[in-house]
Amino acid sequence: DQQVKQNSPSLSVQEGRISILNCDYTNSMFDYFLWYKKYPAEGPTFLISISSIKDKNEDGRFTVFLNKSAKHLSLHIVPSQPGDSAVYFCAARAYSGNTGKLIFGQGTTLQVKP
Amino acid sequence: DGGITQSPKYLFRKEGQNVTLSCEQNLNHDAMYWYRQDPGQGLRLIYYSQIVNDFQKGDIAEGYSVSREKKESFPLTVTSAQKNPTAFYLCASSGQPEVRSPLHFGNGTRLTVT
Repeated sequence: DQQVKQNSPSLSVQEGRISILNCDYTNSMFDYFLWYKKYPAEGPTFLISISSIKDKNEDGRFTVFLNKSAKHLSLHIVPSQPGDSAVYFCAARAYSGNTGKLIFGQGTTLQVKP
Repeated sequence: DGGITQSPKYLFRKEGQNVTLSCEQNLNHDAMYWYRQDPGQGLRLIYYSQIVNDFQKGDIAEGYSVSREKKESFPLTVTSAQKNPTAFYLCASSGQPEVRSPLHFGNGTRLTVT
């Protein structure tokens, strides 16, 4: 049962344009959502997060949008740069008791063409 | 520099042998996690530990074992009972779960079993 889904395995955009990565979830108890960026043979690095009480969070070129009614999360990268080419994972947490474990989507490979 | 160290980066074993992957952190984090990455499946949780001398099974714990004797260390043993051990293994840590803090990852260990 995949609670966090990234339905697009890959995305290709031109340098300078907007990249939009999407993520859907099924568990209404998720209270915290994150995006991670991963290069091959390295660990994921944290990019940006959003609490379930907000609908938007911005950090430089990265903006995350949360639509709770649709159970949908998206990451916008503007403008896209070739160095943004990587695998992007969305993740979600359902905080219950004393555990904060994250559930990850399958990942979307972003390619930004010069 | 604070961070998470996983060693070795590449590991090769013969089928039927147990192997232990090392994970050390100097971030003073209470919680530590082991994830496994397979192509097209994202990151799946193997085991996690919220505090020293305590740990819980994740979604795919069968064939794995862990220990948490020290706050800084969370080694993972891949036993011969794990049917598909070849994968990229990622260790992570985080602060207190009641504070929304992201997971910090190490750079992973690529295990190949033949």
